[in-house]
Amino acid sequence: AQSVTQLGSHVSVSEGALVLLRCNYSSSVPPYLFWYVQYPNQGLQLLLKYTSAATLVKGINGFEAEFKKSETSFHLTKPSAHMSDAAEYFCAVRKAGGFKTIFGAGTRLFVKA
Amino acid sequence: DGGITQSPKYLFRKEGQNVTLSCEQNLNHDAMYWYRQDPGQGLRLIYYSQIVNDFQKGDIAEGYSVSREKKESFPLTVTSAQKNPTAFYLCASSSRTGPGLAGGEAYNEQFFGPGTRLTVL
Repeated sequence: AQSVTQLGSHVSVSEGALVLLRCNYSSSVPPYLFWYVQYPNQGLQLLLKYTSAATLVKGINGFEAEFKKSETSFHLTKPSAHMSDAAEYFCAVRKAGGFKTIFGAGTRLFVKA
Repeated sequence: DGGITQSPKYLFRKEGQNVTLSCEQNLNHDAMYWYRQDPGQGLRLIYYSQIVNDFQKGDIAEGYSVSREKKESFPLTVTSAQKNPTAFYLCASSSRTGPGLAGGEAYNEQFFGPGTRLTVL
């Protein structure tokens, strides 16, 4: 069975500081991993995805994530936070070649001026 | 522009009423999904469909029904049997990439609609 754990339901950073949102997964087979962002009262938008190619994945809006098999992690980072990054972020996992996507509970990012 | 539309954006339901949420996509995606989102619980899968005239229950299907008469449309009905329907409902779709595991099909990432917020009065 697959599962996703996002560490920290809320993360607060200052504008210009590093953003680090943590995601650990559990999967018995090679996973595909995703990060989505959700702004208030909107749908989810794909930030980036890992599908077994390069382990460092670059996404939109300056975000990137690194797949670390030994740590079963796929943490999301951005070097310098912007006020517009304030949103909820979801990590998700799916079996490579599978169908069902499992979403984490989400991490709400607050950015302080 | 291709995308997924959901309507209405806000919906109010009285106790005992059935309501239907619309989801339409013009991405030519094969698979469509309905999720329910509650604060602090992430997304929970209600129903999904991989092909026209076929759909499968997700993790929390009780009190919901769906149909897939057209490839581009996947409406969700919230019935009076759903005891706690107040939530944010998200529709998604994904394209098929080819053969997957155990004779199944593999799909690309999901694209989401803007959501419908349902409130029971």
